[in-house]
Amino acid sequence: EDKVVQSPLSLVVHEGDTVTLNCSYEVTNFRSLLWYKQEKKAPTFLFMLTSSGIEKKSGRLSSILDKKELFSILNITATQTGDSAIYLCAVPTSGTYKYIFGTGTRLKVLA
Amino acid sequence: GAGVSQSPSNKVTEKGKDVELRCDPISGHTALYWYRQSLGQGLEFLIYFQGNSAPDKSGLPSDRFSAERTGGSVSTLTIQRTQQEDSAVYLCASSFRRGEGTDTQYFGPGTRLTVL
Repeated sequence: EDKVVQSPLSLVVHEGDTVTLNCSYEVTNFRSLLWYKQEKKAPTFLFMLTSSGIEKKSGRLSSILDKKELFSILNITATQTGDSAIYLCAVPTSGTYKYIFGTGTRLKVLA
Repeated sequence: GAGVSQSPSNKVTEKGKDVELRCDPISGHTALYWYRQSLGQGLEFLIYFQGNSAPDKSGLPSDRFSAERTGGSVSTLTIQRTQQEDSAVYLCASSFRRGEGTDTQYFGPGTRLTVL
C-alpha cells in the first residue's frame, strides 16, 4: 500500500533555530515528491523533487530527495515566526492521478 | 482569475441536508482535484478531473458524494444527506497539464463545512 509518513508530527522552536522536517514514502513507480506549506487553509507549493541528491533551494528553505532510502528532508534555517505553519509532503501514486499526503508537521516558531 | 477560488468559504448545514461546493480553477488548467482535510489530518484525495471527465473517482467516501466539471472549468462537489462526519475543509486544486505526477498543484482557500 502506498503511503507517506512525516516526522515529527509537531515541533516548537525559537526564532533563529534551524529545523529539519522528514518525509518518508513507499510508492511503486515513483515520479515526484512535493512539499507544501499550509498556514491557514490553502497549501502553497514549496518544492517538487524528482531526482536524488539534487538540492532545491528557496531563500532559507531547502529540500533534498534520497530515492534509495525513500525519504526527503525539508530544512529551514534562521527560522522566523512567519515560518509557523503545517508542512505537508505528497507523492503521486503509481498508475493513477491520486496524490497521497502525509499528515504534516506542525511547526511553531516562537519569538 | 489569478488563483483558484472556492465558494462558499464557510458553510454550516444541518444533518441530512444537501450541500454544493464550488471550485473555479486557474484559467487554462486542465487538471482539477478535490481533497478533504479533517481536523488534524492530512489531505484526503477525493476525485480528479482531466477536462470534464473524472478518470479517478476512487477517493469519494460514499455514494452521497458526487462531483462534476463543466466546460473544462468550474467544478462542483455535491454532498447529499450530509452527516456530521462530513465536517471538514474541502480543498480544490488545479494544475496546468495532465495529472501525471510531475505537475504543481495550486490550491484554493477551501470551504469549511460544518454539519450540525
